[in-house]
Amino acid sequence: DTEVTQTPKHLVMGMTNKKSLKCEQHMGHRAMYWYKQKAKKPPELMFVYSYEKLSINESVPSRFSPECPNSSLLNLHLHALQPEDSALYLCASSRLAGSETQYFGPGTRLLVL
Amino acid sequence: GNSVTQMEGPVTLSEEAFLTINCTYTATGYPSLFWYVQYPGEGLQLLLKATKADDKGSNKGFEATYRKETTSFHLEKGSVQVSDSAVYFCALWEYGNKLVFGAGTILRVKS
Repeated sequence: DTEVTQTPKHLVMGMTNKKSLKCEQHMGHRAMYWYKQKAKKPPELMFVYSYEKLSINESVPSRFSPECPNSSLLNLHLHALQPEDSALYLCASSRLAGSETQYFGPGTRLLVL
Repeated sequence: GNSVTQMEGPVTLSEEAFLTINCTYTATGYPSLFWYVQYPGEGLQLLLKATKADDKGSNKGFEATYRKETTSFHLEKGSVQVSDSAVYFCALWEYGNKLVFGAGTILRVKS
């Protein structure tokens, strides 16, 4: 089973709202990732967690706050977002942070009004 | 730095036509190479991969061969179907580095 699940599938939020995206995998992977994908563009890496610790932050604005409560779960907390943050947010996992193959979830499509 | 260049799309083909999507890469070492596919409204799915020179990755009728001498990893399929319509991303990974994607190629297959 190579499944990564993400909830919600769609999210609409105002600029003053606080919301969270959730990602889950049960493959025993110890590395998890958040990507942002704008329309007609490739995914852009935001964060990498390795063994539940943040190992890479690609200079992402603080209005995005990741959290890894355990090895199977990854959250992305959103606060005071801007309309330009509207995008597809993809979660991925790999066996280890140094492992080559990443498995992606279906994504959460976010619209910020 | 590492980079991936894909042929620009969209690529429009009739059903049962032969598909080639070109991908070339620049890397400092010996990367692993991937093709990911993204169907409309969905996330990325790993289509195939190759980890060393002359390896051939294959899945669902798609194939790609890791060519170190031409730094290429072209995607091919002998007979496309309407259901293959999607965006195809070529990507490379080197140990200790990020997964680097190409810009993506839109494939449209007409019945």
